[in-house]
Amino acid sequence: DIQMTQFPTSLSASVGDRVTITCRASQTISKYLSWYQQRPGKAPSLLIFGASSLYTGVPSRFSGSGSGTDFSLTINGLQPEDFATYYCQQSLSIPPTFGGGTKVEI
Amino acid sequence: QVQLVESGGGLLKPGGSLRLSCEASGFTFSDYHMSWIRQVPGKGLEWISYIGRSGSPIHLADSLKGRFTVSRDNSKNLVFLHLNSLRVEDTAVYFCARGGKVVPASFDTWGQGTLVTVSS
Repeated sequence: DIQMTQFPTSLSASVGDRVTITCRASQTISKYLSWYQQRPGKAPSLLIFGASSLYTGVPSRFSGSGSGTDFSLTINGLQPEDFATYYCQQSLSIPPTFGGGTKVEI
Repeated sequence: QVQLVESGGGLLKPGGSLRLSCEASGFTFSDYHMSWIRQVPGKGLEWISYIGRSGSPIHLADSLKGRFTVSRDNSKNLVFLHLNSLRVEDTAVYFCARGGKVVPASFDTWGQGTLVTVSS
């Protein structure tokens, strides 16, 4: 199985900040990388697929980059509703595997 | 609108069985691959199963083969997860998720989840 490692596991930020979360795959996955946001008590929601493609309806302050084994999610201008946990996930091979999550706190 | 609604969760004793259902609406169900993903409260996400548009192929997490199975009924827009020989460590919120059209293993729509608690 492909292992996905996210860092940091948590971070503190303020409204308006620029935040970057990193994800590393244990082997190359090309651009088969998705990012999800999960607010407390809610289901995850897709933000980014294909490493850098913004999913329909996702605000443009979210962006993704990377390929191969190293990826990042950036939030430009953190908003109050962005305080949540973020997960990366590889979609290249079965089983799809998730990173451990990054909790973005105030 | 596009929606997935899970049902069937509850409190079970170890060794019990359960069938979870996920009803889809707002899209052509038979056009999409479907997956189940679970989350132990307070922990991360674990992919469980994948079922193709017409009911095949089926993939299951290696650790769950032999205990869990998945099926779908495209005439009723339903996908099922069958849980057998339940263990305490199966306690989790179970989500169904729709696979993307371009990347089937990228999950673009999720249900709200149903909680399964296994306890003696």
